[in-house]
Amino acid sequence: DTGVSQNPRHKITKRGQNVTFRCDPISEHNRLYWYRQTLGQGPEFLTYFQNEAQLEKSRLLSDRFSAERPKGSFSTLEIQRTEQGDSAMYLCASSLAGGSNTEAFFGQGTRLTVV
Amino acid sequence: AQRVTQPEKLLSVFKGAPVELKCNYSYSGSPELFWYVQYSRQRLQLLLRHISRESIKGFTADLNKGETSFHLKKPFAQEEDSAMYYCAPDRDNYGQNFVFGPGTRLSVLP
Repeated sequence: DTGVSQNPRHKITKRGQNVTFRCDPISEHNRLYWYRQTLGQGPEFLTYFQNEAQLEKSRLLSDRFSAERPKGSFSTLEIQRTEQGDSAMYLCASSLAGGSNTEAFFGQGTRLTVV
Repeated sequence: AQRVTQPEKLLSVFKGAPVELKCNYSYSGSPELFWYVQYSRQRLQLLLRHISRESIKGFTADLNKGETSFHLKKPFAQEEDSAMYYCAPDRDNYGQNFVFGPGTRLSVLP
């Protein structure tokens, strides 16, 4: 499968613990996005990288969330001191940079449950 | 305030009936608009983009700048069209990328 890959697929954690998710984009894609999706809602933008640079971050993103893309390839999303409200599907997508009509390719997502 | 609206959470039609999934946006400028689809147990994927003026799986979408709408239409729905559909401008007024609407679940009944 040469598409966007996310690991783990599922994560159950206790409130207060830290979690880290990984995303491997399509290899030639230089843009990488993180989204969060809760039940009944569309994907909510969290942050976006172009190569290794984090260019945009949602104003809604708590300081407990941090994302990295150290070598411009895979990315990690870390949530510190998880809360029950963090329970959601976390989606990663990648695309090529090149004008405004580029297609985003999505991963299967990581489902986080905070108990 | 929500920047992309999809007024119907659920839309049920019979096989062979026409279907229209509504999308309205509120932006300054001229965003590029996309429809994404998520079939059961599959990942979110692009259905079509307005810039291409294409028809994919029988679906078309027309951008109406006067009404700020980008409704998705298909003249004859098929059961395999049952899925979640998301309207997505490529950015909002704050420059964020790929902002998605809340989605409409289309259910095509036999």
